[in-house]
Amino acid sequence: GDSVTQMEGPVTLSEEAFLTINCTYTATGYPSLFWYVQYPGEGLQLLLKATKADDKGSNKGFEATYRKETTSFHLEKGSVQVSDSAVYFCALIDTGKLIFGQGTTLQVKP
Amino acid sequence: NAGVTQTPKFRVLKTGQSMTLLCAQDMNHEYMYWYRQDPGMGLRLIHYSVGEGTTAKGEVPDGYNVSRLKKQNFLLGLESAAPSQTSVYFCASSYGTGGWTDTQYFGPGTRLTVL
Repeated sequence: GDSVTQMEGPVTLSEEAFLTINCTYTATGYPSLFWYVQYPGEGLQLLLKATKADDKGSNKGFEATYRKETTSFHLEKGSVQVSDSAVYFCALIDTGKLIFGQGTTLQVKP
Repeated sequence: NAGVTQTPKFRVLKTGQSMTLLCAQDMNHEYMYWYRQDPGMGLRLIHYSVGEGTTAKGEVPDGYNVSRLKKQNFLLGLESAAPSQTSVYFCASSYGTGGWTDTQYFGPGTRLTVL
């Protein structure tokens, strides 16, 4: 079945460091891909999405490119801030429901 | 515009007790969902609804029931709670016009502990 695998966390970075959170997927068809973010004590919010191969989703300085050849959708940001500390979830929709990865915790220190 | 709200925020139950979690949305969304979030496992879909009066099973439906009597509300029931149902429960909703690819909007969650 469909699945999403994210890099293990937690990820700890200093402010202004470069961020990469790896995400790979397994799907039978051509899924849409998403990154959701969960700030402490809150529900999930959509961060960005891409619906077809080579699409780049971007929002709030974060980017992710849909790579069909490597079945990946890695999240990147050039300069993280303390306010980016949160849990990040990669997810896909293929034949139906939204399938989430296990989440990666990001902690950014001043 | 409150978005998606959930009540209660926290609850402690004893094994065998029952309870209902309420989800409400004021965005006139057709689709509504219940997820559970467990450490290291991401979110898993319990039940969902594609419109008023409809419900369907998700990935982990056992031990739960749902009802969608009004378009804006989606209720999740636990008839006989078990410790394995200790989790954080999230409700979400989406427009439904684009099917499953629509953005889902999440509530703040309910933390449930079953002793």
